[in-house]
Amino acid sequence: DQQVKQNSPSLSVQEGRISILNCDYTNSMFDYFLWYKKYPAEGPTFLISISSIKDKNEDGRFTVFLNKSAKHLSLHIVPSQPGDSAVYFCAGGTTGNQFYFGTGTSLTVIP
Amino acid sequence: GAVVSQHPSRVICKSGTSVKIECRSLDFQATTMFWYRQFPKQSLMLMATSNEGSKATYEQGVEKDKFLINHASLTLSTLTVTSAHPEDSSFYICSANPRRGLSYEQFFGPGTRLTVL
Repeated sequence: DQQVKQNSPSLSVQEGRISILNCDYTNSMFDYFLWYKKYPAEGPTFLISISSIKDKNEDGRFTVFLNKSAKHLSLHIVPSQPGDSAVYFCAGGTTGNQFYFGTGTSLTVIP
Repeated sequence: GAVVSQHPSRVICKSGTSVKIECRSLDFQATTMFWYRQFPKQSLMLMATSNEGSKATYEQGVEKDKFLINHASLTLSTLTVTSAHPEDSSFYICSANPRRGLSYEQFFGPGTRLTVL
């Protein structure tokens, strides 16, 4: 049973515009969420995180929003750049335990 | 930041042989390491949780005798794919959870590409 879902396998955005990547989860016990970025043939790299006690966390061009009642989070990238083209995974978990990953969304930023 | 290395980065082996993949946390101690497998165009799939000094916890559907995990020290976990078959060809990634403060982050290794001929 997939506890974390990313329903959009791919997304294309024009350079300079906003990219919005969505993620849904089913386990209400999750108290921490992460976004990872992955290039082909490489391991994922951590991008940004958010605790369940917050509804927003911002780091430069990246902002993650959390809606606990809807069990939904989203990653906003503004402005999008060609170098942002990669697969983005969201992950949710509980304190001290492993994280469960979504299936990923492949983002293509068109120059 | 915390660095996790994997060795080898790429390995090609013959069917029936065993392959060992190492995962090391270079500048921090990790009592817990995780092993993932990624199939093409699919999500990272958690295979097992490796705890230092104890037996690994395997996810449902992962063969314990096929994928041997050893976590002998606070900085090293190994995954041995025994009697490898072509269907074991995949990208294997480890991650480590640093035991410092309340950090929830996992730091990932660069991955190991296994090709079984």
